[in-house]
Amino acid sequence: NAGVTQTPKFRVLKTGQSMTLLCAQDMNHEYMYWYRQDPGMGLRLIHYSVGEGTTAKGEVPDGYNVSRLKKQNFLLGLESAAPSQTSVYFCASSADKYEQYFGPGTRLTVT
Amino acid sequence: GDSVTQMEGPVTLSEEAFLTINCTYTATGYPSLFWYVQYPGEGLQLLLKATKADDKGSNKGFEATYRKETTSFHLEKGSVQVSDSAVYFCALSYSNYQLIWGAGTKLIIKP
Repeated sequence: NAGVTQTPKFRVLKTGQSMTLLCAQDMNHEYMYWYRQDPGMGLRLIHYSVGEGTTAKGEVPDGYNVSRLKKQNFLLGLESAAPSQTSVYFCASSADKYEQYFGPGTRLTVT
Repeated sequence: GDSVTQMEGPVTLSEEAFLTINCTYTATGYPSLFWYVQYPGEGLQLLLKATKADDKGSNKGFEATYRKETTSFHLEKGSVQVSDSAVYFCALSYSNYQLIWGAGTKLIIKP
């Protein structure tokens, strides 16, 4: 049981480049989330999904897109990266309202 | 809107000291309350939770009591260890499966 995995672990992009972060969970959870973590600001929700084929905006969705084509995968895309998107990105999944399971994170630097 | 406020860190203690990390919340309804912990280089994991007023959550020697009258959920531990060094996040949630997070409190335990 791998839990929640994220790929890649680290990435450096130049301004304007695009990339996709992959999140996979093997717990059959309906709910999945993408967060960003910045120093002193805690976690901020970017987008989330309540089931396969559905997505919704969170607190800070601008500049990001997501897709949930399969129940176990949740993709986060940056179409044109900006330095303000330098952050640590966490994916999480949940089966109920009491606990979210987190991946190890992706550290993204945009120069 | 709903929010969570934690004491600013870092909090630095000696091994075997008593720990309190303050958390207060603002909520329009009756949320569930959580403490998550993030060890260095890892994702977050649930430490403990309480789902209604006067409930006490406990795990690994940590405790927190859901106090509706003071809108608080302070984290305590009687004797901390170096291995408790981490960032601690307080959060609240309603039935919509989304968590509202505090900014996190970094705890440093010195031997």
